[in-house]
Amino acid sequence: KAGVTQTPRYLIKTRGQQVTLSCSPISGHRSVSWYQQTPGQGLQFLFEYFSETQRNKGNFPGRFSGRQFSNSRSEMNVSTLELGDSALYLCASERPGDNEQFFGPGTRLTVL
Amino acid sequence: AQSVTQLGSHVSVSEGALVLLRCNYSSSVPPYLFWYVQYPNQGLQLLLKYTSAATLVKGINGFEAEFKKSETSFHLTKPSAHMSDAAEYFCAGPLYYGAGSYQLTFGKGTKLSVIP
Repeated sequence: KAGVTQTPRYLIKTRGQQVTLSCSPISGHRSVSWYQQTPGQGLQFLFEYFSETQRNKGNFPGRFSGRQFSNSRSEMNVSTLELGDSALYLCASERPGDNEQFFGPGTRLTVL
Repeated sequence: AQSVTQLGSHVSVSEGALVLLRCNYSSSVPPYLFWYVQYPNQGLQLLLKYTSAATLVKGINGFEAEFKKSETSFHLTKPSAHMSDAAEYFCAGPLYYGAGSYQLTFGKGTKLSVIP
């Protein structure tokens, strides 16, 4: 069974640009969550999607957004990039009711 | 709100020695607690998961954790460290929003070094 995949794995952008990250969940998993990991703040919750609906959002500015498609694949977008957005972005998928999230390898975003 | 605290940002052990990584939870007894491991430049891998079914939980790679309500702890142990155990370990608990929705809240992580 294929795991969670994230593309691209590495990304370099400059301040002010926007970026879109993609996450393909494990087959049969309909919930997708996104987390940001930085050395200073650790792992922080961004948002969670289920059946194409955002159910919850963490404490991040509106520049961070996401969506989920009918096949459960998810994308997150960050507009007007800032240096502080440099981080590892992790997505996790879950089968409803399992209470167990499986993580992808992450996308390493560097903002110059 | 549920939160977890990991004591010790960095732990060093000799190869073959006992590994003990500490995690304490706050608030009410959580229905689930997790330990994840992260190797360099990789995502998080689930090591083990606590449910109310058993207080001693066995995970992958020889790790286990014991849930102790009296101490609000969920420490991770391994009897004999191996070089391949060098990684960062995260304790996590769920923060529920209702209707099956939740987020994981993570401790700050403990980086384990294994000395040959």
